[in-house]
Amino acid sequence: NAGVMQNPRHLVRRRGQEARLRCSPMKGHSHVYWYRQLPEEGLKFMVYLQKENIIDESGMPKERFSAEFPKEGPSILRIQQVVRGDSAAYFCASSPGQREQPQHFGDGTRLSIL
Amino acid sequence: GEDVEQSLFLSVREGDSSVINCTYTDSSSTYLYWYKQEPGAGLQLLTYIFSNMDMKQDQRLTVLLNKKDKHLSLRIADTQTGDSAIYFCASGSARQLTFGSGTQLTVLP
Repeated sequence: NAGVMQNPRHLVRRRGQEARLRCSPMKGHSHVYWYRQLPEEGLKFMVYLQKENIIDESGMPKERFSAEFPKEGPSILRIQQVVRGDSAAYFCASSPGQREQPQHFGDGTRLSIL
Repeated sequence: GEDVEQSLFLSVREGDSSVINCTYTDSSSTYLYWYKQEPGAGLQLLTYIFSNMDMKQDQRLTVLLNKKDKHLSLRIADTQTGDSAIYFCASGSARQLTFGSGTQLTVLP
């Protein structure tokens, strides 16, 4: 009964490097969402994807951030040329996608930028 | 944009009831949600309520919704030390959720 799986749990990068965060949705779920949580704050929506499609990326920064959910394999959130301000917890959620089914969250990836 | 507001802190004694309040602005939300986050962990879905309901009870949890005032509350009966966590209220659609900043619940022995 695997839930939403995110890896790695912790990721350390130096400024200017690339960060790749992975998310495998719950079995039977075809919709994936990415959220960012800055310290002492709530979660902020970034992007909503279905298989091979970006449905809503209104929360994504315009530069350096991209997301994909390929036909095979996990969803990837990619951050290029990381800066200190990218340090945060990044959470992935998934849902079956029918009507208003609740989103189920993974344990997150904590990204630290040195 | 849409907004969700919660008080930041709540302390209760073990065995008492806890009530966590939330206000939201998105009148088009079909469901409203309560999530629990323990330190270093992800968000655990506690319960959710359909917007045309005014109350939902699930064991020790009671959710009250006042749609006119856009006010949502979560009551935890017989609060235990294991209930200490951050509780997030969320509103939204199938596309995205808007979260409050979370209420840190501390349960005192």
